[in-house]
Amino acid sequence: GAGVSQTPSNKVTEKGKYVELRCDPISGHTALYWYRQSLGQGPEFLIYFQGTGAADDSGLPNDRFFAVRPEGSVSTLKIQRTERGDSAVYLCASSLGGEETQYFGPGTRLLVL
Amino acid sequence: GQQLNQSPQSMFIQEGEDVSMNCTSSSIFNTWLWYKQDPGEGPVLLIALYKAGELTSNGRLTAQFGITRKDSFLNISASIPSDVGIYFCAGTNQGGKLIFGQGTELSVKP
Repeated sequence: GAGVSQTPSNKVTEKGKYVELRCDPISGHTALYWYRQSLGQGPEFLIYFQGTGAADDSGLPNDRFFAVRPEGSVSTLKIQRTERGDSAVYLCASSLGGEETQYFGPGTRLLVL
Repeated sequence: GQQLNQSPQSMFIQEGEDVSMNCTSSSIFNTWLWYKQDPGEGPVLLIALYKAGELTSNGRLTAQFGITRKDSFLNISASIPSDVGIYFCAGTNQGGKLIFGQGTELSVKP
């Protein structure tokens, strides 16, 4: 079956621009997670959705970062006024429920010039 | 952000050798997980541990959940070239948020 998919796979943008990163979870999974992975580091939690609502957004670094999941399936991570420090791999994961195994997508590699 | 302390950072071993890596935390976790990440891919779950003291195997992999709930180790026996990759430990206390270690990069020489 299809796994978690993320688009685009790579994104290059200029400092100050706005970007949107998309995540398509595994069909039927109610929980969706976003993580950010810097080079040489483990993934860092950003936000967790249960259905349409954000159950935990404590990992969002500042108010330039925002994520939505309007219909409880696809999610979009939005970054405003990008900075060079935002360059990283943004990983999405989904699970059947909040306590279940998380399955990760391949990530979107964001480079801010 | 909060991360687990994982060691060693990297290992370069001969094919057929056994490998051991561990993870420690200043906080307790109710669940410990071990993931493997290949280049250009997301992490893939190898083993999940749900009970303090639990020892679990998955093929050549064996992992233990420390009795204090603040540590875990992963052993790989008889390593093969496809074991190459980055191994991450992760802990969680609630549905959702995983806290990851910094990773152990494993290289295997045929």
